[in-house]
Amino acid sequence: QKEVEQNSGPLSVPEGAIASLNCTYSDRGSQSFFWYRQYSGKSPELIMSIYSNGDKEDGRFTAQLNKASQYVSLLIRDSQPSDSATYLCAVNPNNNDMRFGAGTRLTVKP
Amino acid sequence: KAGVTQTPRYLIKTRGQQVTLSCSPISGHRSVSWYQQTPGQGLQFLFEYFSETQRNKGNFPGRFSGRQFSNSRSEMNVSTLELGDSALYLCASSPEGADTQYFGPGTRLTVL
Repeated sequence: QKEVEQNSGPLSVPEGAIASLNCTYSDRGSQSFFWYRQYSGKSPELIMSIYSNGDKEDGRFTAQLNKASQYVSLLIRDSQPSDSATYLCAVNPNNNDMRFGAGTRLTVKP
Repeated sequence: KAGVTQTPRYLIKTRGQQVTLSCSPISGHRSVSWYQQTPGQGLQFLFEYFSETQRNKGNFPGRFSGRQFSNSRSEMNVSTLELGDSALYLCASSPEGADTQYFGPGTRLTVL
């Protein structure tokens, strides 16, 4: 079992729709969770961090964490073509020993 | 603040050679982590340095090594290059007391 699992996609949504990205992790002791966005040919860019169970909202982005289910998700509301990218889920089971999922490729169609 | 910088941005080497990549973290950040990214394996953790000491290490062979200097700049070295070492090598820095990582633009290494 991989430490961090994501559906590789591609996930395609129409412009204006909600995109839902999911991630599960294996280390139950993990305390820090992150979502990164990576455009083709570029480096990962931090979108959200979440540390507590529940929802965390930042603009059009909402991260959701459920430690009991070992599940993290990212919702993107009012999706725009500029949101088309690969989204990486990252989990920190130990200080700065970050584990990344393989990423979900999102395409937002105009 | 300036972001994380990495040099060189692109590198072409042949099998058997060695290579050194450089990373300058965001000013004030003392933790530097290195990752290898390939289409097949995704982002894989290589090692992390803090205050010139290796604090964590991923599951890579001894051909991959690194170091950190007193100004927090870091280098990683790959010896006896193999074709499979072709990848994007990313460096990320973190502020003290936080585990949020900020990535540099990466060095694209091609081994022929």
